Amino acid sequence: DAGVIQSPRHEVTEMGQEVTLRCKPISGHDYLFWYRQTMMRGLELLIYFNNNVPIDDSGMPEDRFSAKMPNASFSTLKIQPSEPRDSAVYFCASSLVSGREQGNYGYTFGSGTRLTVV
Amino acid sequence: GQNIDQPTEMTATEGAIVQINCTYQTSGFNGLFWYQQHAGEAPTFLSYNVLDGLEEKGRFSSFLSRSKGYSYLLLKELQMKDSASYLCALPSGGYNKLIFGAGTRLAVHP
Repeated sequence: DAGVIQSPRHEVTEMGQEVTLRCKPISGHDYLFWYRQTMMRGLELLIYFNNNVPIDDSGMPEDRFSAKMPNASFSTLKIQPSEPRDSAVYFCASSLVSGREQGNYGYTFGSGTRLTVV
Repeated sequence: GQNIDQPTEMTATEGAIVQINCTYQTSGFNGLFWYQQHAGEAPTFLSYNVLDGLEEKGRFSSFLSRSKGYSYLLLKELQMKDSASYLCALPSGGYNKLIFGAGTRLAVHP
């Protein structure tokens, strides 16, 4: 398997523009997570899905952020309008199983999208 | 809620042993994870502890004391490639949502 695939790897955009980040989880994984990482705040969970359904979006910072998972093999994180403070690395991760068995594997993270809003 | 504390930075010498500590407070314990993250890369899974004691995996071992809210990652025979951030993480709201500590940046020098 190719692992969790994210695109683009790098994105530079101007303040006010819409940004869409994409993620393809590992086939068969039924949990998908979006994280954001900055020097100041570390790795923060934004939202996660189970079987394509959003379960917990309490980490989504503002209404400017939205995430969708239209099918088991694709998810998007959209920021509209973008602001300089959104600059960060955004990671997508997927997980095969829930519960205690997950402990044997943890999450598999994608390579991340480095977003710069100028 | 949860609170996870780790030292911000550590330095060590190639070939030595280093212990990276993690203390935590949580309302419900469902195990503790350690991840490694090299600069500019994604975190990768290292270990998971749910019972007290030491679990060994090659050069890396992880220890847990649930009563003390304490874990450590022990790295032996340090290599330059071990220079990375080490993240302690706890499941929240069941097993499925991982909350990460700020991470410990380890620098290994010759």
